[in-house]
Amino acid sequence: EAGVVQSPRYKIIEKKQPVAFWCNPISGHNTLYWYRQNLGQGPELLIRYENEEAVDDSQLPKDRFSAERLKGVDSTLKIQPAELGDSAVYLCASSLDIRTYEQYFGPGTRLTVT
Amino acid sequence: AQTVTQSQPEMSVQEAETVTLSCTYDTSESDYYLFWYKQPPSRQMILVIRQEAYKQQNATENRFSVNFQKAAKSFSLKISDSQLGDAAMYFCAYAEANRDDKIIFGKGTRLHILP
Repeated sequence: EAGVVQSPRYKIIEKKQPVAFWCNPISGHNTLYWYRQNLGQGPELLIRYENEEAVDDSQLPKDRFSAERLKGVDSTLKIQPAELGDSAVYLCASSLDIRTYEQYFGPGTRLTVT
Repeated sequence: AQTVTQSQPEMSVQEAETVTLSCTYDTSESDYYLFWYKQPPSRQMILVIRQEAYKQQNATENRFSVNFQKAAKSFSLKISDSQLGDAAMYFCAYAEANRDDKIIFGKGTRLHILP
């Protein structure tokens, strides 16, 4: 079974530029999460999807961040414009049943904003 | 608000020895889950072990076991017979049951395995 796929693995951009991250969850997993992991910290939830619906986006900085999950499968997280403080690893995870709290993580995208 | 604290930023252990990673948490809830996640250099978070708060028996997964002290709000991870592949960041995490699926992570402990 394929795991959670994310691309790109690394991205370097200049500040004020836009950037997008893509995630393909495990087949059949209805719940999808985006996390941000700052250096030396644990992951922090940005947004959670149940199928196509964003059910928890309270930690998403909505002025510059946006996300979508079309058809309840793949998801894209976008930042526009990027700031220096956005440098971090962006992790995507998926789960089959939210009640088990068993989340499967992708390898993440390391974003560097210069 | 719930918090998770890992007081050991880094630890080292000799290969084949046993090491214990510490974690404390703060919550006013009685029903919750606790986790240990492993993050190797590849960055992919892997669930190592999970404990339901209502269970008194400590969870065990092969060489990994926990010491869950509910009253003390302590949740330590013991790794027996340490192997080179155990080298990674280890995150302790908490999730409140029957609410939502939000997991709160600690800051992590970097574990070095000495050959």
